[in-house]
Amino acid sequence: AQKVTQAQTEISVVEKEDVTLDCVYETRDTTYYLFWYKQPPSGELVFLIRRNSFDEQNEISGRYSWNFQKSTSSFNFTITASQVVDSAVYFCALSPAGNTGKLIFGQGTTLQVKP
Amino acid sequence: DTEVTQTPKHLVMGMTNKKSLKCEQHMGHRAMYWYKQKAKKPPELMFVYSYEKLSINESVPSRFSPECPNSSLLNLHLHALQPEDSALYLCASSQRTGQGSYNEQFFGPGTRLTVL
Repeated sequence: AQKVTQAQTEISVVEKEDVTLDCVYETRDTTYYLFWYKQPPSGELVFLIRRNSFDEQNEISGRYSWNFQKSTSSFNFTITASQVVDSAVYFCALSPAGNTGKLIFGQGTTLQVKP
Repeated sequence: DTEVTQTPKHLVMGMTNKKSLKCEQHMGHRAMYWYKQKAKKPPELMFVYSYEKLSINESVPSRFSPECPNSSLLNLHLHALQPEDSALYLCASSQRTGQGSYNEQFFGPGTRLTVL
């Protein structure tokens, strides 16, 4: 079965705190892609990152960093020095093999950053 | 142009009405998608078009009818909807690679639909 679990439903932090959003996935495929999307209150999903199953290098983009560990089937997302503008729902997603274009989303984590 | 546009932003319709949602992208993407999203839930895939042909229909009721007139446009025709169909409808597009894979999806701002 293909599944994405985001165990944290809601997280609340104070501005400038670091915060990590957890994502655990299940798949039997050896080739797959993992994604993170941000959905601010305006509603549009914003693409943040794509990682393929053969690339376990961690990635950093400004205040954002991602830790991909195949051994634990996790793809966690850390925001350093959080800001109010980071307040949004964050979705982790899995694209299984088979070239269908389907995305399997986790339930999402609502992040609230308070000033 | 790295944008997916959707019209209208908001739509209120009665159960006997016929309406259409429109989606447009000019990124040269050859895959386009319709999603439905209820409050506090992740998006649910409805349809996938690949090279203007319907490739996935996730058992969506026939009161939703997709159409892909060309590689830049995607429509969703609505007829005889139910109040439970009220939701945010999101369109997305993605590139197809030379190897046939689908790259990351870029989403539009959505149409917030209310069915009375």
